[in-house]
Amino acid sequence: GAVVSQHPSRVICKSGTSVKIECRSLDFQATTMFWYRQFPKKSLMLMATSNEGSKATYEQGVEKDKFLINHASLTLSTLTVTSAHPEDSSFYICSALGGLAGGSYTDTQYFGPGTRLTVL
Amino acid sequence: KQEVTQIPAALSVPEGENLVLNCSFTDSAIYNLQWFRQDPGKGLTSLLLIQSSQREQTSGRLNASLDKSSGRSTLYIAASQPGDSATYLCAVRFLGAQKLVFGQGTRLTINP
Repeated sequence: GAVVSQHPSRVICKSGTSVKIECRSLDFQATTMFWYRQFPKKSLMLMATSNEGSKATYEQGVEKDKFLINHASLTLSTLTVTSAHPEDSSFYICSALGGLAGGSYTDTQYFGPGTRLTVL
Repeated sequence: KQEVTQIPAALSVPEGENLVLNCSFTDSAIYNLQWFRQDPGKGLTSLLLIQSSQREQTSGRLNASLDKSSGRSTLYIAASQPGDSATYLCAVRFLGAQKLVFGQGTRLTINP
């Protein structure tokens, strides 16, 4: 089946630094990728939707200047948390939608394993 | 507003029991509905995907049903096992949208 990877799986950084998280679709082309945030014992909150080659669409209340999203190719999207603060500590999950897999079009979202960010 | 709700938030049952998890959504105009499992500190594992035109899907001991008119879906787990302990999330893709709207999840504990 379709596989989505995230790197790194875990990152610890100092307050004020920037952190980049990568999301890759390994065996299919993803026309659209999504970034979610999950607080402990809470559900997933959609942060933004990114389409290859265009600007991301952010959900209400998400700071676009703080959470920079780039979807430079059909297999890679990146989320950069700029000037990170302890309140940015969270579990970040990406998903990928659509594109061709094994010659067929897939219209299902496939999720990455998540990245645990801890800001000290 | 399009919302997804899961009740109960937590459920604890003895091993071997059959159980049902509930998911409701506010708008019947859906594209599909998906059930996921999430283990602590881990990502999501897709369990079942039901398209709008389908009434149910089955995989092993799991059966998911969909009733669009009433805005409900259920996930039935037969002969529960301790390894089924996890948080189960329901997510809906509404018509005209690409994103998924998640419920708050049900934290399931199966006691040996």
